Amino acid sequence: QKEVEQDPGPLSVPEGAIVSLNCTYSNSAFQYFMWYRQYSRKGPELLMYTYSSGNKEDGRFTAQVDKSSKYISLFIRDSQPSDSATYLCAMTTFSGGYNKLIFGAGTRLAVHP
Amino acid sequence: DAGVTQSPTHLIKTRGQQVTLRCSPKSGHDTVSWYQQALGQGPQFIFQYYEEEERQRGNFPDRFSGHQFPNYSSELNVNALLLGDSALYLCASSLPGELFFGEGSRLTVL
Repeated sequence: QKEVEQDPGPLSVPEGAIVSLNCTYSNSAFQYFMWYRQYSRKGPELLMYTYSSGNKEDGRFTAQVDKSSKYISLFIRDSQPSDSATYLCAMTTFSGGYNKLIFGAGTRLAVHP
Repeated sequence: DAGVTQSPTHLIKTRGQQVTLRCSPKSGHDTVSWYQQALGQGPQFIFQYYEEEERQRGNFPDRFSGHQFPNYSSELNVNALLLGDSALYLCASSLPGELFFGEGSRLTVL
């Protein structure tokens, strides 16, 4: 069993839709949770970063963490064609600096006009 | 302020050859990590360097080695290349609380 599971999709939605992306994990030691966006042939770009259970909102993006269920989500409101990319969840423990990130496989999202 | 820069951006090698990839971290960042991202997969941690020493290592064979220089830049070396080493190699630089990735070096092994 992988430490982090993420449905690879692809997910295709119309412009303006609400998108829900999810990951589950097995290691209860994970304390920091991140969502990255990766455009084709580019490096991952950090979208959201959380370290506690609950919700964190940034513009059209909301990150949700449920440590009791070992489940994290990213919601995208009013999705745009420019949101078409691969979304990677990542998580880590913390010990005085960044430990290694464990990534999900990524979910490919296509937003069509 | 330049972010994380990697070179070369693309390269093609043949099986058995050796390759060196380079990374310059974001200004002020003292920790560099390397990741391998195979097509259609998430990045996998190779190793991390801090103060010129390997601090953590992922599940990669000894063919993968690295180095960090006093200016915090780093190199990733891969010996005896295999077809399966074809991937996007990502460098990430960090301080506690922030981490940024470069655009990667795409390695194709023929």
